[in-house]
Amino acid sequence: QQQVKQSPQSLIVQKGGISIINCAYENTAFDYFPWYQQFPGKGPALLIAIRPDVSEKKEGRFTISFNKSAKQFSLHIMDSQPGDSATYFCAARNTDKLIFGTGTRLQVFP
Amino acid sequence: EPEVTQTPSHQVTQMGQEVILRCVPISNHLYFYWYRQILGQKVEFLVSFYNNEISEKSEIFDDQFSVERPDGSNFTLKIRSTKLEDSAMYFCASNREGAWTGELFFGEGSRLTVL
Repeated sequence: QQQVKQSPQSLIVQKGGISIINCAYENTAFDYFPWYQQFPGKGPALLIAIRPDVSEKKEGRFTISFNKSAKQFSLHIMDSQPGDSATYFCAARNTDKLIFGTGTRLQVFP
Repeated sequence: EPEVTQTPSHQVTQMGQEVILRCVPISNHLYFYWYRQILGQKVEFLVSFYNNEISEKSEIFDDQFSVERPDGSNFTLKIRSTKLEDSAMYFCASNREGAWTGELFFGEGSRLTVL
């Protein structure tokens, strides 16, 4: 119930392509869904976030799509760049804590 | 830009020893957290702390773990008797408004290796 399932585990994309990472959850008490980006040797950093009353949120090249009925949400990175190469974690908020997905290692090749 | 700072960056200890990990949260933040990440795995919640007391803790955060904010600036995580499975990266995080917005600011982590 407290899990957030994330896929794929790793993703290789050509520069300029679209990167798509998917997450699914079961607990309907989750009420806030952030995505975090983590570079090697660094802590996670908030990338973009969405509330469940919104179906889509876009910030620059990053878009979250949210399907409340399916309990799924995804991150789309348009025009992927080598600098986007990092590990991406979806998360869901429950009470005062974030439940993280298992992470997706994205590699963008020139 | 203000940031969460953590020390040490890496600590190696023998099983059974006590370890204290230190964090300096962002100065105007009120909510503090510890998360951990076992190598290659997901980030896991340990504990949240507000108004000088624990507000929530996970099953991982057993009697071997404790947190305190001894001087109004530092936020520490103590592991009394380390086990091999405590080897992980420990992240401190802070937030001005609690996890309501999900905008936790994470430090760069303290890597703990238990031998």
